Amino acid sequence: SQQGEEDPQALSIQEGENATMNCSYKTSINNLQWYRQNSGRGLVHLILIRSNEREKHSGRLRVTLDTSKKSSSLLITASRAADTASYFCATDIGTGANSKLTFGKGITLSVRP
Amino acid sequence: NAGVTQTPKFQVLKTGQSMTLQCAQDMNHEYMSWYRQDPGMGLRLIHYSVGAGITDQGEVPNGYNVSRSTTEDFPLRLLSAAPSQTSVYFCASSPFGTGGGYTFGSGTRLTVV
Repeated sequence: SQQGEEDPQALSIQEGENATMNCSYKTSINNLQWYRQNSGRGLVHLILIRSNEREKHSGRLRVTLDTSKKSSSLLITASRAADTASYFCATDIGTGANSKLTFGKGITLSVRP
Repeated sequence: NAGVTQTPKFQVLKTGQSMTLQCAQDMNHEYMSWYRQDPGMGLRLIHYSVGAGITDQGEVPNGYNVSRSTTEDFPLRLLSAAPSQTSVYFCASSPFGTGGGYTFGSGTRLTVV
């Protein structure tokens, strides 16, 4: 079964609105990362939050992490049509050379002009 | 431009054929990995490498081989292609293993008929 599960599976909003995407996971993590994938392209790293951090910001992105609830959320403020893409959370689990990054199934975000 | 280069971009194989998907990075990253992406399944880890000469299996390694003779290259070999291996394959690299963001290639879309 998937380590990380994103919610919702699909999200459609109007340009200018905020988009909130959630990720839940099952086991302890070292860090959690969010990626964006435009149609037909590779994934692009957006932001990483470590297990001892609760909140991080990067431009219009804000990510939170609640390790007690094993969940994270990604907030995109003032969305633009160019934000239309699939978004994936990825969890870093394991130790040392056995660490692995496992991905969820993704959220499809559509931003209407 | 610096980054991860995957070749070919598209490939059609007949069942039973073998082939090698190429992956090269010029960022001197020690950590490299291969994922496959299938509709509704997210990305699943096939094999990964923490440095030249060191490889390990991921979540779905059956039917695939890898080797890492140099820091730059991490080829993925399909030994005897099967229709179940029809997928989009992504190579990724990182300077800090799973402790940092991954740089992804643009992918190879493989169809096995």
